[in-house]
Amino acid sequence: QVQLQESGPGLVKPSQTLSLTCTVSGDPMSSGAYYWSWIRQPAGKGLEWIGRIYTSGSTDYNPSLKSRLTLSVDTSRNQFSLRLNSVTAADTAVYFCARRHRGFDYWGQGAVVTVSS
Amino acid sequence: EIVLTQSPGTLSLSPGDRATLSCRASLSVESRYIAWYQRRPGQAPRPLIYDSSNRATGIPDRFSGSGSGTDFTLTISRLEPEDFVVYYCHYYGSSPETFGQGTKVEIK
Repeated sequence: QVQLQESGPGLVKPSQTLSLTCTVSGDPMSSGAYYWSWIRQPAGKGLEWIGRIYTSGSTDYNPSLKSRLTLSVDTSRNQFSLRLNSVTAADTAVYFCARRHRGFDYWGQGAVVTVSS
Repeated sequence: EIVLTQSPGTLSLSPGDRATLSCRASLSVESRYIAWYQRRPGQAPRPLIYDSSNRATGIPDRFSGSGSGTDFTLTISRLEPEDFVVYYCHYYGSSPETFGQGTKVEIK
Protein backbone atom coordinates (compact mmCIF):
# COMPACT_ATOMS: atom_id res chain seq x y z
CA GLN A 1 0.00 0.00 0.00
CA VAL A 2 1.48 3.32 -1.09
CA GLN A 3 1.52 6.06 1.54
CA LEU A 4 2.55 9.70 1.29
CA GLN A 5 3.37 12.02 4.17
CA GLU A 6 4.04 15.76 4.04
CA SER A 7 6.49 17.38 6.43
CA GLY A 8 7.75 20.91 6.98
CA PRO A 9 7.21 24.06 9.01
CA GLY A 10 3.62 24.96 9.79
CA LEU A 11 4.38 28.67 10.09
CA VAL A 12 6.28 30.79 7.59
CA LYS A 13 6.90 34.53 7.73
CA PRO A 14 5.81 36.76 4.84
CA SER A 15 8.45 37.17 2.11
CA GLN A 16 10.24 34.01 3.22
CA THR A 17 10.33 30.56 1.60
CA LEU A 18 7.84 27.80 2.21
CA SER A 19 9.47 24.36 2.06
CA LEU A 20 7.69 21.02 2.22
CA THR A 21 8.83 17.46 1.66
CA CYS A 22 6.70 14.47 0.76
CA THR A 23 7.97 11.04 1.78
CA VAL A 24 6.63 8.10 -0.18
CA SER A 25 6.50 4.63 1.34
CA GLY A 26 5.26 1.27 0.16
CA ASP A 27 6.70 1.44 -3.35
CA PRO A 28 9.78 2.96 -4.99
CA MET A 29 8.92 6.25 -6.67
CA SER A 30 10.59 5.13 -9.86
CA SER A 31 8.59 1.89 -10.07
CA GLY A 32 6.08 3.29 -12.52
CA ALA A 33 5.15 6.16 -14.81
CA TYR A 34 3.79 8.56 -12.22
CA TYR A 35 3.74 12.29 -11.76
CA TRP A 36 4.46 13.32 -8.19
CA SER A 37 2.31 16.31 -7.48
CA TRP A 38 1.41 19.11 -5.08
CA ILE A 39 -2.07 20.51 -4.54
CA ARG A 40 -3.25 23.09 -2.02
CA GLN A 41 -6.52 24.28 -0.57
CA PRO A 42 -6.95 27.59 1.25
CA ALA A 43 -9.59 27.59 3.96
CA GLY A 44 -13.06 27.92 2.47
CA LYS A 45 -11.80 27.65 -1.11
CA GLY A 46 -11.33 24.94 -3.70
CA LEU A 47 -8.44 22.72 -4.68
CA GLU A 48 -5.58 24.32 -6.60
CA TRP A 49 -3.01 22.37 -8.60
CA ILE A 50 0.50 23.60 -7.78
CA GLY A 51 2.67 21.46 -10.01
CA ARG A 52 4.17 18.05 -10.73
CA ILE A 53 7.51 16.35 -11.14
CA TYR A 54 8.49 13.16 -12.88
CA THR A 55 11.17 10.88 -11.49
CA SER A 56 13.47 12.08 -14.30
CA GLY A 57 13.26 15.54 -12.75
CA SER A 58 11.13 17.13 -15.46
CA THR A 59 8.57 19.55 -14.03
CA ASP A 60 5.34 21.35 -14.85
CA TYR A 61 4.14 24.31 -12.81
CA ASN A 62 0.94 26.24 -12.33
CA PRO A 63 1.53 29.40 -14.40
CA SER A 64 0.31 31.58 -11.53
CA LEU A 65 3.04 30.20 -9.24
CA LYS A 66 5.80 29.44 -11.73
CA SER A 67 8.00 32.45 -10.93
CA ARG A 68 8.18 31.50 -7.22
CA LEU A 69 8.07 27.71 -7.36
CA THR A 70 10.67 24.95 -7.45
CA LEU A 71 9.91 21.23 -7.30
CA SER A 72 12.63 18.63 -6.82
CA VAL A 73 12.85 14.88 -6.39
CA ASP A 74 15.24 12.53 -4.59
CA THR A 75 14.45 8.98 -5.64
CA SER A 76 17.20 7.55 -3.40
CA ARG A 77 15.24 8.80 -0.39
CA ASN A 78 11.84 8.27 -2.01
CA GLN A 79 11.02 11.93 -1.47
CA PHE A 80 9.98 14.94 -3.46
CA SER A 81 9.91 18.54 -2.34
CA LEU A 82 8.34 21.94 -2.88
CA ARG A 83 9.87 25.36 -2.38
CA LEU A 84 7.72 28.46 -2.77
CA ASN A 85 9.52 31.80 -2.50
CA SER A 86 8.30 35.22 -1.40
CA VAL A 87 5.19 33.94 0.32
CA THR A 88 2.25 36.10 1.37
CA ALA A 89 -0.89 35.47 3.39
CA ALA A 90 -2.52 34.25 0.16
CA ASP A 91 -0.26 31.19 0.31
CA THR A 92 -1.81 30.07 3.60
CA ALA A 93 -3.43 26.70 2.87
CA VAL A 94 -3.47 22.99 3.44
CA TYR A 95 -0.80 21.53 1.15
CA PHE A 96 -1.22 18.00 -0.17
CA CYS A 97 1.23 15.80 -1.97
CA ALA A 98 -0.19 13.14 -4.26
CA ARG A 99 0.70 10.51 -6.81
CA ARG A 100 -0.77 11.21 -10.22
CA HIS A 101 -1.43 8.14 -12.31
CA ARG A 102 -4.90 8.09 -13.81
CA GLY A 103 -6.06 10.90 -11.61
CA PHE A 104 -4.59 11.34 -8.16
CA ASP A 105 -4.77 7.85 -6.72
CA TYR A 106 -2.80 8.34 -3.49
CA TRP A 107 -2.73 11.44 -1.30
CA GLY A 108 -0.92 12.59 1.80
CA GLN A 109 -3.00 13.70 4.77
CA GLY A 110 -2.10 17.32 4.18
CA ALA A 111 0.11 19.88 5.90
CA VAL A 112 -1.36 23.11 7.24
CA VAL A 113 0.90 26.04 6.39
CA THR A 114 0.19 29.51 7.74
CA VAL A 115 1.97 32.58 6.45
CA SER A 116 2.09 35.13 9.24
CA SER A 117 4.58 37.33 11.05
CA GLU B 1 -5.61 26.01 -19.88
CA ILE B 2 -8.75 23.94 -19.49
CA VAL B 3 -11.23 25.62 -17.14
CA LEU B 4 -13.66 23.28 -15.40
CA THR B 5 -17.00 24.69 -14.25
CA GLN B 6 -19.04 22.64 -11.82
CA SER B 7 -22.75 23.03 -11.31
CA PRO B 8 -24.69 23.48 -9.24
CA GLY B 9 -22.59 25.09 -6.54
CA THR B 10 -24.81 23.52 -3.90
CA LEU B 11 -27.19 20.59 -4.26
CA SER B 12 -29.86 20.16 -1.57
CA LEU B 13 -31.17 16.61 -1.42
CA SER B 14 -32.37 13.98 1.03
CA PRO B 15 -30.83 10.61 1.92
CA GLY B 16 -31.90 8.06 -0.66
CA ASP B 17 -32.17 10.67 -3.43
CA ARG B 18 -30.22 10.58 -6.66
CA ALA B 19 -27.54 13.25 -7.09
CA THR B 20 -26.35 14.48 -10.46
CA LEU B 21 -23.25 16.69 -10.47
CA SER B 22 -22.04 18.42 -13.61
CA CYS B 23 -18.54 19.38 -14.72
CA ARG B 24 -18.16 21.36 -17.93
CA ALA B 25 -14.81 21.89 -19.64
CA SER B 26 -13.97 25.10 -21.50
CA LEU B 27 -12.71 23.05 -24.46
CA SER B 28 -13.40 19.53 -25.61
CA VAL B 29 -11.17 17.07 -23.75
CA GLU B 30 -10.43 13.38 -24.00
CA SER B 31 -12.76 11.68 -21.54
CA ARG B 32 -9.96 9.53 -20.18
CA TYR B 33 -8.50 12.59 -18.47
CA ILE B 34 -11.36 13.47 -16.11
CA ALA B 35 -11.45 12.37 -12.47
CA TRP B 36 -13.74 13.03 -9.52
CA TYR B 37 -12.90 13.33 -5.81
CA GLN B 38 -14.85 13.50 -2.58
CA ARG B 39 -13.62 15.96 0.02
CA ARG B 40 -14.53 15.43 3.64
CA PRO B 41 -13.43 18.00 6.26
CA GLY B 42 -10.14 17.09 7.84
CA GLN B 43 -9.42 14.31 5.38
CA ALA B 44 -7.46 14.05 2.17
CA PRO B 45 -9.52 14.08 -1.03
CA ARG B 46 -10.81 10.60 -1.81
CA PRO B 47 -10.54 9.39 -5.40
CA LEU B 48 -13.93 8.29 -6.72
CA ILE B 49 -13.70 8.12 -10.52
CA TYR B 50 -10.82 8.17 -13.00
CA ASP B 51 -10.78 8.24 -16.80
CA SER B 52 -14.28 9.72 -16.65
CA SER B 53 -16.13 6.51 -15.83
CA ASN B 54 -13.93 4.07 -13.92
CA ARG B 55 -14.51 3.65 -10.20
CA ALA B 56 -11.43 3.87 -8.00
CA THR B 57 -10.52 1.01 -5.71
CA GLY B 58 -13.08 0.40 -2.99
CA ILE B 59 -15.66 2.88 -4.27
CA PRO B 60 -19.24 1.59 -3.98
CA ASP B 61 -21.23 1.14 -7.15
CA ARG B 62 -23.71 3.86 -6.23
CA PHE B 63 -21.06 6.25 -7.60
CA SER B 64 -20.78 6.44 -11.37
CA GLY B 65 -19.19 8.78 -13.89
CA SER B 66 -20.00 9.53 -17.49
CA GLY B 67 -19.52 12.09 -20.21
CA SER B 68 -17.49 13.14 -23.20
CA GLY B 69 -16.33 16.23 -25.01
CA THR B 70 -17.02 19.13 -22.66
CA ASP B 71 -19.72 17.67 -20.40
CA PHE B 72 -19.08 15.21 -17.61
CA THR B 73 -21.31 13.93 -14.83
CA LEU B 74 -20.90 12.29 -11.46
CA THR B 75 -24.01 10.44 -10.35
CA ILE B 76 -24.70 9.13 -6.86
CA SER B 77 -27.65 6.80 -7.27
CA ARG B 78 -28.87 6.73 -3.65
CA LEU B 79 -27.37 9.21 -1.23
CA GLU B 80 -26.08 7.84 2.06
CA PRO B 81 -25.59 10.16 5.06
CA GLU B 82 -21.80 10.15 4.57
CA ASP B 83 -22.18 11.40 0.98
CA PHE B 84 -23.21 14.91 2.03
CA VAL B 85 -19.87 16.60 1.44
CA VAL B 86 -18.05 18.42 -1.39
CA TYR B 87 -17.08 16.93 -4.76
CA TYR B 88 -14.45 18.12 -7.25
CA CYS B 89 -13.76 17.23 -10.86
CA HIS B 90 -10.19 17.28 -12.18
CA TYR B 91 -8.63 17.45 -15.64
CA TYR B 92 -5.24 15.79 -16.05
CA GLY B 93 -4.72 15.53 -19.80
CA SER B 94 -2.15 18.30 -20.04
CA SER B 95 -0.39 20.93 -17.99
CA PRO B 96 -1.67 22.87 -16.17
CA GLU B 97 -3.94 20.35 -14.55
CA THR B 98 -7.08 21.97 -13.22
CA PHE B 99 -9.92 21.43 -10.76
CA GLY B 100 -13.50 22.54 -10.82
CA GLN B 101 -14.59 24.85 -8.01
CA GLY B 102 -16.57 22.10 -6.28
CA THR B 103 -20.17 21.10 -5.67
CA LYS B 104 -21.44 20.82 -2.13
CA VAL B 105 -24.12 18.19 -1.54
CA GLU B 106 -26.13 19.19 1.52
CA ILE B 107 -29.02 17.67 3.38
CA LYS B 108 -32.34 19.22 2.43
